[in-house]
Amino acid sequence: TQLLEQSPQFLSIQEGENLTVYCNSSSVFSSLQWYRQEPGEGPVLLVTVVTGGEVKKLKRLTFQFGDARKDSSLHITAAQPGDTGLYLCAGSPNAGGTSYGKLTFGQGTILTVHP
Amino acid sequence: DAGVTQSPTHLIKTRGQQVTLRCSPKSGHDTVSWYQQALGQGPQFIFQYYEEEERQRGNFPDRFSGHQFPNYSSELNVNALLLGDSALYLCASSLRTGQSGTEAFFGQGTRLTVV
Repeated sequence: TQLLEQSPQFLSIQEGENLTVYCNSSSVFSSLQWYRQEPGEGPVLLVTVVTGGEVKKLKRLTFQFGDARKDSSLHITAAQPGDTGLYLCAGSPNAGGTSYGKLTFGQGTILTVHP
Repeated sequence: DAGVTQSPTHLIKTRGQQVTLRCSPKSGHDTVSWYQQALGQGPQFIFQYYEEEERQRGNFPDRFSGHQFPNYSSELNVNALLLGDSALYLCASSLRTGQSGTEAFFGQGTRLTVV
């Protein structure tokens, strides 16, 4: 069973601060996705990383996939109140495996950015 | 281009009853996955449908069943509802290209409350 450990579980910061959320596993994933979810809504896809060592930037958000494709991080620079939400990482197992197409989610990081 | 749509958005059922939730995938997508998300947790994979057949299944009892129609839409059925089935049920659609890195797009979810 592939598991994703996400940390921290809760993060409460002031506007303008930087933060990093981590997603770790002992398993290798073919890809890893980051989602943001607001209360009562479905997760919204932010980014997909596929290649080990890959770095992707989305405005103030920087996503990195570990070299061994077992871990990932999300870094937010100069956080704003609009960044508040639940951040989820989700891993997709290797193609061709019996679990292909099934996403394994971390437990999420609840981020609160205070003005 | 319509995204993933789910119905109903909210539902209240009595313990022991049966419920059917519906999902229409994003245009062009052929694969539908269902997830259960408890409050404050990451989504848990229930099962996935492709070509009208269940292809993957998570650790959920047989009370959870589903169906996919020729137009790729899908239903999730839960029998003999328990209080613990109260959760946000999410539908995710994707395109089964056979390649690694399956990007999934989620609907807004159905909030099921069992009383």
